[in-house]
Amino acid sequence: NAGVMQNPRHLVRRRGQEARLRCSPMKGHSHVYWYRQLPEEGLKFMVYLQKENIIDESGMPKERFSAEFPKEGPSILRIQQVVRGDSAAYFCASSGRTGGSYEQYFGPGTRLTVT
Amino acid sequence: AQRVTQPEKLLSVFKGAPVELKCNYSYSGSPELFWYVQYSRQRLQLLLRHISRESIKGFTADLNKGETSFHLKKPFAQEEDSAMYYCALSGGSNTGKLIFGQGTTLQVKP
Repeated sequence: NAGVMQNPRHLVRRRGQEARLRCSPMKGHSHVYWYRQLPEEGLKFMVYLQKENIIDESGMPKERFSAEFPKEGPSILRIQQVVRGDSAAYFCASSGRTGGSYEQYFGPGTRLTVT
Repeated sequence: AQRVTQPEKLLSVFKGAPVELKCNYSYSGSPELFWYVQYSRQRLQLLLRHISRESIKGFTADLNKGETSFHLKKPFAQEEDSAMYYCALSGGSNTGKLIFGQGTTLQVKP
């Protein structure tokens, strides 16, 4: 089991461009979480998805950010019209079941740099 | 508001010394608490959770509801314990989303 995969590992975008971050959960996992880590800060929850459903997006900025987890393929975190403040590390985690008791397995992260 | 606070950004100890990484939380219900660890060049991984009441790699953590704390302890630090440690809280069984503290870097010197 290769674990949670994220790509790209590093992404550079100019202000105003779009960023697409991909996350493939562990085999058999249908629950995906996205977290953002700004410099010198801890990870902040963004969104929780199950296949084809957004369950909790309470941590997502209201504009420019969207996420999906289609029936087939990886989960995508999409940032439109990126700004410098979007520069951060974005982590994806997956779980086999929902609920606080179940371990979340983290990917290596995607480091987004906006120039 | 739900919040996790790790007051120390860096904790530096000598090998063999006791270690205590502090974690305080703010939550109105019954939280589930975790410690995650990130070793150099590795991904974040679960170290232990309070409901398991287990000791992993010599580390233990006790949930103190009166003091709203979940400090991570180890009696004798090893150099391989050097890593970034995050305390995290799950606010309920509905979603499992984690609220993380800012993290503490543990540096164990030889």
